[in-house]
Amino acid sequence: SQTIHQWPATLVQPVGSPLSLECTVEGTSNPNLYWYRQAAGRGLQLLFYSVGIGQISSEVPQNLSASRPQDRQFILSSKKLLLSDSGFYLCALYRGLGEETQYFGPGTRLLVL
Amino acid sequence: KQEVTQIPAALSVPEGENLVLNCSFTDSAIYNLQWFRQDPGKGLTSLLLIQSSQREQTSGRLNASLDKSSGRSTLYIAASQPGDSATYLCAVKVISGFGNEKLTFGTGTRLTIIP
Repeated sequence: SQTIHQWPATLVQPVGSPLSLECTVEGTSNPNLYWYRQAAGRGLQLLFYSVGIGQISSEVPQNLSASRPQDRQFILSSKKLLLSDSGFYLCALYRGLGEETQYFGPGTRLLVL
Repeated sequence: KQEVTQIPAALSVPEGENLVLNCSFTDSAIYNLQWFRQDPGKGLTSLLLIQSSQREQTSGRLNASLDKSSGRSTLYIAASQPGDSATYLCAVKVISGFGNEKLTFGTGTRLTIIP
């Protein structure tokens, strides 16, 4: 079965600093990968998704970016963090091949001060 | 644009009671609907998935129904237990092209089961 790793688990960063969150996947190949953000009191917001290496689709224009340098690696980045970037970031995958369930990683909690 | 609403936002019930969580969506052209559970500070765990052609799915004490034409789904939890306390999220899946599969989530219902 697949496993999704996210690190770090928790991160406190000052406004204006850069960001790099990593998501790696084990146990499956060529998944669709997703980055979501969950802000306090709000639902999950889809930020980016990727159907393959180097293929990134952005759902919400903002100061974040994503990259997929390897099949099982998905990275969320920012050059300059804003206060509004605080939240709980979740990486998720679809295995495809007729399976419909979306699987989620443990998440990274980001606090921008 | 698909919007998903969950009512109530929070619910507290005594242990042992049956309860219903509600989910509504604005665009009935969905591929499937999924219910998730989220414990505080954790990721999401899938509970039940209902395909657009199905009316309900059951797993143990959980039963999810889907009325696609009216844009509604319910999650029924029988004989609630303190371990059921969590936030429950529903999400609808839309496919708009090859590889373009997206979930739109509701804001969740925070459930507390009182021992």
